[in-house]
Amino acid sequence: EVQLVESGGGLVQPGGSLRLSCVASGFTFSSYSLNWVRQAPGKGLEWVSYISDSSSHIYYADSVKGRFTISRDNAENSLFLQMNSLRDEDTAVYYCSRDYPFKGGDYWGRGTLVTVSS
Amino acid sequence: DIQMTQSPSTLSASVGDRVTITCRASQSIGNWLAWYQQKPGKAPKLLIYRASSLESGVPSRFSGSGSGTEFTLTISSLQPDDFATYYCQEYNDYARTFGQGTKVEIK
Repeated sequence: EVQLVESGGGLVQPGGSLRLSCVASGFTFSSYSLNWVRQAPGKGLEWVSYISDSSSHIYYADSVKGRFTISRDNAENSLFLQMNSLRDEDTAVYYCSRDYPFKGGDYWGRGTLVTVSS
Repeated sequence: DIQMTQSPSTLSASVGDRVTITCRASQSIGNWLAWYQQKPGKAPKLLIYRASSLESGVPSRFSGSGSGTEFTLTISSLQPDDFATYYCQEYNDYARTFGQGTKVEIK
C-alpha cells in the first residue's frame, strides 16, 4: 500500500525556519517525482514545489522561490522542504504528493500544519 | 505562468442532478489536466487525468472532457458522497497550477 506521511509542522514566528519531511512507503520511491502542495485555512490548493526522481529538475512557485528548498533522499525514501524566512501567508497545511507520469498527483499524504505567527 | 480559472465557485445541487464544472486555462495545455475531489480535513483525491481518463476506483458517474484551454468535469447523477470541493490542475508545464476550486453544496 502506498503511503506518504508528512511531519515537521508546527508554530513558528515570522522570519523563522522549519523543515518538513515526507516519508514514503509501498512503492519504488526513487522512480517517482514528488510535489509539495499547500492549503491555507479555508482556501484552495496551491502548488509549492516539484522535484524529479533524480533531483535533476527542481521548480518552485514564485511565492516561495528563494525562501524554500526542496530535496530528497532516495536511500531513505524521504522528501524534504526547508522553509526559511517564513511569513504569515505561509500558514497552511502542507501536503506531499507522488507525481505519477502523465497523471498528476495520484497519492497524497494527510498533511502537516505550519502556523506562522508571533 | 499558466492561470487556471474554474466556474462556478459554488454550485448548489440535489442528489440525482447532473453537474458540470468548467476549467479554463490561460493558454493551451493540450490534455494535461487533472481533476481532484477534496473533502473537509482530507487530502485531495485524483479523479480524472489527461483531461478524460478515469482514475482506477473512481465511479463511472465522473467524466472529464476538453482539450486546449477549456475543460469540463461532469457528474452524471450526483450522489450524497459527492458533496465536496473540486479542483482542476494543469501539468503542462512545471508549475502545476490549480484552479481556485468549486464547492458542490446540497441544495
